[in-house]
Amino acid sequence: AQSVAQPEDQVNVAEGNPLTVKCTYSVSGNPYLFWYVQYPNRGLQFLLKYITGDNLVKGSYGFEAEFNKSQTSFHLKKPSALVSDSALYFCAVKRGGGADGLTFGKGTHLIIQP
Amino acid sequence: GAGVSQTPSNKVTEKGKYVELRCDPISGHTALYWYRQSLGQGPEFLIYFQGTGAADDSGLPNDRFFAVRPEGSVSTLKIQRTERGDSAMYLCASSLQVTDTQYFGPGTRLTVL
Repeated sequence: AQSVAQPEDQVNVAEGNPLTVKCTYSVSGNPYLFWYVQYPNRGLQFLLKYITGDNLVKGSYGFEAEFNKSQTSFHLKKPSALVSDSALYFCAVKRGGGADGLTFGKGTHLIIQP
Repeated sequence: GAGVSQTPSNKVTEKGKYVELRCDPISGHTALYWYRQSLGQGPEFLIYFQGTGAADDSGLPNDRFFAVRPEGSVSTLKIQRTERGDSAMYLCASSLQVTDTQYFGPGTRLTVL
């Protein structure tokens, strides 16, 4: 069975500072890893994914994430936070090449303070 | 282009009633997924379709839940004899192929009184 852990329920960052939202995973075989963002009363929006190749992947709105196989992590990062980045962020995993649904973490509330 | 759409956006029903939730995937997407998201939790996988067939329904919680996709496009999630514990946001997603990125609809918020 696969699983995702997002150890922080909430992350607070001052506007303009770098941000990191943590994610670790467990899956058999090679993972496909995803980050989604959810704004209030909105559906999940895709940010970025890691399938293969370069461990650093870049996505929408200036976000990036680093795949670390030895630590089974896929932390989301952004060099300079914006107030508009405040939202609920979900990390998700599926078995590489598998026809599975995604397994999501519980989500992390990101709050950017002006 | 048009994204995934779901109707209704909100559904309030009474315990014991039958409900249907509809999902229109992105045109051309062969894979369609249903998830359920309870308050404060991440989405949980329910079922996925490849074309018209339910390829994996291992996430359906019990036999009160059923889903169809008769023509390989629109899907309907059906819940019989609803219970208060079924109250949640029901999300639909589609992808071009099963290994591709899943794009989510806005969801249907189901409330069972």
